[in-house]
Amino acid sequence: GQQVMQIPQYQHVQEGEDFTTYCNSSTTLSNIQWYKQRPGGHPVFLIQLVKSGEVKKQKRLTFQFGEAKKNSSLHITATQTTDVGTYFCAGRDGNQGGKLIFGQGTELSVKP
Amino acid sequence: NAGVTQTPKFRVLKTGQSMTLLCAQDMNHEYMYWYRQDPGMGLRLIHYSVGEGTTAKGEVPDGYNVSRLKKQNFLLGLESAAPSQTSVYFCASVDRARGTDTQYFGPGTRLTVL
Repeated sequence: GQQVMQIPQYQHVQEGEDFTTYCNSSTTLSNIQWYKQRPGGHPVFLIQLVKSGEVKKQKRLTFQFGEAKKNSSLHITATQTTDVGTYFCAGRDGNQGGKLIFGQGTELSVKP
Repeated sequence: NAGVTQTPKFRVLKTGQSMTLLCAQDMNHEYMYWYRQDPGMGLRLIHYSVGEGTTAKGEVPDGYNVSRLKKQNFLLGLESAAPSQTSVYFCASVDRARGTDTQYFGPGTRLTVL
């Protein structure tokens, strides 16, 4: 079945450093979504990418969808302590009834 | 609007006990989902519903049952709890009628089965 792999599982950075998490699917996706979960909280929607090669920005966050629509990345420039949390990608498979499969998440910690 | 609410927030069960988790949404969304979250495994879909009176199995349905008698409520039942069902359970709803795909999550239920 479809798998969505996300790396790294953990990332510890110094405040001000950049951070990137990567998401890879075993199948072509119709879209990919990104969510952020603060410690003790629930996932909150960040963005959805639909088009091949799409790039979207939200302030210091840059989201990319690969040309083959099988991979995606989230890059945070100059991390802040407010960026702490777990970032999940979720891919919707266009060939299997549109099920949304979540990656394992990347837990980001930021040292001030 | 309260969005998506879940009750209870915390629960401790003994092996073999039963319980029902309630999810309620006031956004008139058609689609609702139940996930479980375990360390290092992300969110895994248990069951979902595409409308009132309909339910379907997700990735990890064994040991759980669901019901969607009213559009705004989605119930998750554990008939005979097992320690392997210790997890954080999240409910989510989606307004697919508008062509969007955003999942709105509830605050979660932290369940421990002893």
